[in-house]
Formats: sequence, structure tokens, C-alpha cells
Amino acid sequence: DAGVIQSPRHEVTEMGQEVTLRCKPISGHDYLFWYRQTMMRGLELLIYFNNNVPIDDSGMPEDRFSAKMPNASFSTLKIQPSEPRDSAVYFCASSRDTNTGELFFGEGSRLTVL
Amino acid sequence: QQPVQSPQAVILREGEDAVINCSSSKALYSVHWYRQKHGEAPVFLMILLKGGEQKGHDKISASFNEKKQQSSLYLTASQLSYSGTYFCGTAGYTGNQFYFGTGTSLTVIP
Repeated sequence: DAGVIQSPRHEVTEMGQEVTLRCKPISGHDYLFWYRQTMMRGLELLIYFNNNVPIDDSGMPEDRFSAKMPNASFSTLKIQPSEPRDSAVYFCASSRDTNTGELFFGEGSRLTVL
Repeated sequence: QQPVQSPQAVILREGEDAVINCSSSKALYSVHWYRQKHGEAPVFLMILLKGGEQKGHDKISASFNEKKQQSSLYLTASQLSYSGTYFCGTAGYTGNQFYFGTGTSLTVIP
């Protein structure tokens, strides 16, 4: 089976531009998570979905951030407008159930906002 | 919400042992441990489901004290390949929110 697939792997953009990160979870996984990783804050949970429904978005830093999961095989994380402090690695991960099983991570999307 | 790990960083010589601790302020249903190499995604090591459970994985093992809401990762006879950042991850009893700890950087030198 293919693992979690994220795109793009690298994105360099200018402040004020819209950024869209994409994720395809592992088939059959009911849970999808978006994390942001920086040196200062470590791995932060931004939002997670269960069966395509957003369950907890309390980690989304600002209204500039939004996430959707239109179907079981696709999710997006959008930043509009982007700011330099959004520069980070964004990971998508999926799981059958984190209470009893592991998270499978994508390779991450490294975002640089100039 | 984020579990606290200690120490923040540790440097070992090959063959030495290390312990990494993870402490949560919330009741835990399970604890995961992951290792992340530089520039890569975190990789799953093990999960502990029950209070007091201990698991082993080659020379890496872990314990989970549900009452104290703590877990420890034990690395024995460390190898160069053990270098990386170790994260605990915790799942509570309410929902599937999954939070990672603050991380511990482990460097093994020859």
C-alpha cells in the first residue's frame, strides 16, 4: 500500500500569497491529522478529522488557516494570506485509531514565506 | 496539552544507556514513541496501551505508568543509528486528539 502522500514537498512564496498544501491519507484510515513543526514550538497539532469531519481545530493558529477534507482520500490545508512566521514543515498523518495504533506520516511540506 | 519531555538533549557514546521521560497533565489512554531523523518524518517505535505496561523493541524499551501519567523510553547499549529526536505522543480518553511531546534530541558519538 502507498503511504501518506503530501504535496508539494517544498514551497517558497512571498508574503501575502495563498498557499495550499495537499494530503492523501492511507486508504481505510479514518483519522487524518495536520501538524506544523518548527524549532521553537516542536510538533503542533493544528486540526484533525474523523471520517472527513473536522473534530478539533483548536490548534489552528489564526483565521488565515483553514483545512478541508472533501472526501476520504484528500485533504487540504490553506493559508491565506501567508506570513513569514508561517514558515515551517507541515506534516499530514493518518491512523485507524490513535488510541490503539500508530500514526503514519507523510514526508512533509516545507514552506518558506519570504 | 503538550506532554513535557526530559531531558531536552543528551549526548551518548556508543554502548551507553539513556532514559527519556514523558509527562502529561491529562489522563492518558495510550502513549506512543517516535523517532525523527533530521529532514525526515517521525517514525513509529512502539505504543503502550495499559497502565504499567512495558514493551521492548530490540534494545529499546518503554514503560507506562498510567497513574502518574508518565512514560519512559529506555535505550540500552546505544548505537550510532539511535541518533535523532525522540517524541512521545499521547492519546487521552476523550477523542482522538494526539499530541506530541516537546522532544528529546539524542546524539550518539563513536
